Amino acid sequence: NAGVTQTPKFQVLKTGQSMTLQCAQDMNHNSMYWYRQDPGMGLRLIYYSASEGTTDKGEVPNGYNVSRLNKREFSLRLESAAPSQTSVYFCASKTGVYSNQPQHFGDGTRLSIL
Amino acid sequence: DAKTTQPNSMESNEEEPVHLPCNHSTISGTDYIHWYRQLPSQGPEYVIHGLTSNVNNRMASLAIAEDRKSSTLILHRATLRDAAVYYCILGASETSGSRLTFGEGTQLTVNP
Repeated sequence: NAGVTQTPKFQVLKTGQSMTLQCAQDMNHNSMYWYRQDPGMGLRLIYYSASEGTTDKGEVPNGYNVSRLNKREFSLRLESAAPSQTSVYFCASKTGVYSNQPQHFGDGTRLSIL
Repeated sequence: DAKTTQPNSMESNEEEPVHLPCNHSTISGTDYIHWYRQLPSQGPEYVIHGLTSNVNNRMASLAIAEDRKSSTLILHRATLRDAAVYYCILGASETSGSRLTFGEGTQLTVNP
């Protein structure tokens, strides 16, 4: 049962470098989400995709771009990494946009920017 | 989005019941109440959700106040594996993708 798979699990970047975080789900879910979690805090939504072909900004979208490549895959790109983007990034998916459906999370990508 | 209030931390003993409270006084009539938990170094894990009636599943029970302004997650017999941060979240409207707004949650410590 793969569920939500995130790659890579760990990454260290230098300031100004670019990087794409990958997320794939095998549950045939329509909606996908990207969150970040800073130490000691709850998750904050960066971007989401309610369905294939759509993306929308969340709470903290600045400095990020996303691509919903197909129904399975939703990538997060940092064009010019900054130390403030050091965080743990979580991808999640759910069946659809209805609010009574649970989200399923990956195990995260731990990103450090020097 | 409506906010929730939870204690920062709680402690329990193994094999005893745990009651984790959550206040959500500004909840709207269509907001579902969701509970997730996060074990160390893992992503959040869905626990349970409900709208008005109490709910039970294999992991926990959710008791919702009659006025819906508060709820309680009940772990019937805590185990060491239940030590985690527990988040009480109100499900956002479907027009905003039903995104979850996480607070800081309650850190549950389970003593052997």
